[in-house]
Amino acid sequence: GDSVTQMEGPVTLSEEAFLTINCTYTATGYPSLFWYVQYPGEGLQLLLKATKADDKGSNKGFEATYRKETTSFHLEKGSVQVSDSAVYFCALFYNQGGKLIFGQGTELSVKP
Amino acid sequence: DGGITQSPKYLFRKEGQNVTLSCEQNLNHDAMYWYRQDPGQGLRLIYYSQIVNDFQKGDIAEGYSVSREKKESFPLTVTSAQKNPTAFYLCAVEGSGANVLTFGAGSRLTVL
Repeated sequence: GDSVTQMEGPVTLSEEAFLTINCTYTATGYPSLFWYVQYPGEGLQLLLKATKADDKGSNKGFEATYRKETTSFHLEKGSVQVSDSAVYFCALFYNQGGKLIFGQGTELSVKP
Repeated sequence: DGGITQSPKYLFRKEGQNVTLSCEQNLNHDAMYWYRQDPGQGLRLIYYSQIVNDFQKGDIAEGYSVSREKKESFPLTVTSAQKNPTAFYLCAVEGSGANVLTFGAGSRLTVL
């Protein structure tokens, strides 16, 4: 079945460092791909999305490109801030059943 | 958040008791979801409903029940049959964009 795999955390970076969180997926057809972010004690918020191959989603300095050839949707940010500390979830929309499938989440901690 | 209200935010339960978690939305969206979040496991789908008076089991429905009598409401009951109910429960609605979920702030259930 369809699935999402993220790099394990926690990831600890210094402020202004470059961030990459890897995400790969297994799916039939052409799913839509998403990154969600969860701040401590809160629900999830949509960060960005891409709906077809080679699309780049971007928001708040974060970017991810839908790579069909490598079945990947890695999240990147050029310069992280302390306020980016959160748990990041990669997800795909499962066409057969109409539901989102989430990766296990990657915790990011940014130190001043 | 964003028109989705989950209550209570924190709930303690003794073993053997049923509890009901509330999810109310004023976004006028049809599709609603319940996810369970455990540390290191990401989000797992419990139940979802695409329309009033209809719902489907997700990946981990055993020990849970739902109802969808009104468009605005999708309560989740955690029954005594659920063997490990301590978790963070998230309700979501779909409709802000194609396949995009908007999440509530969550309810944390602890079984004593």
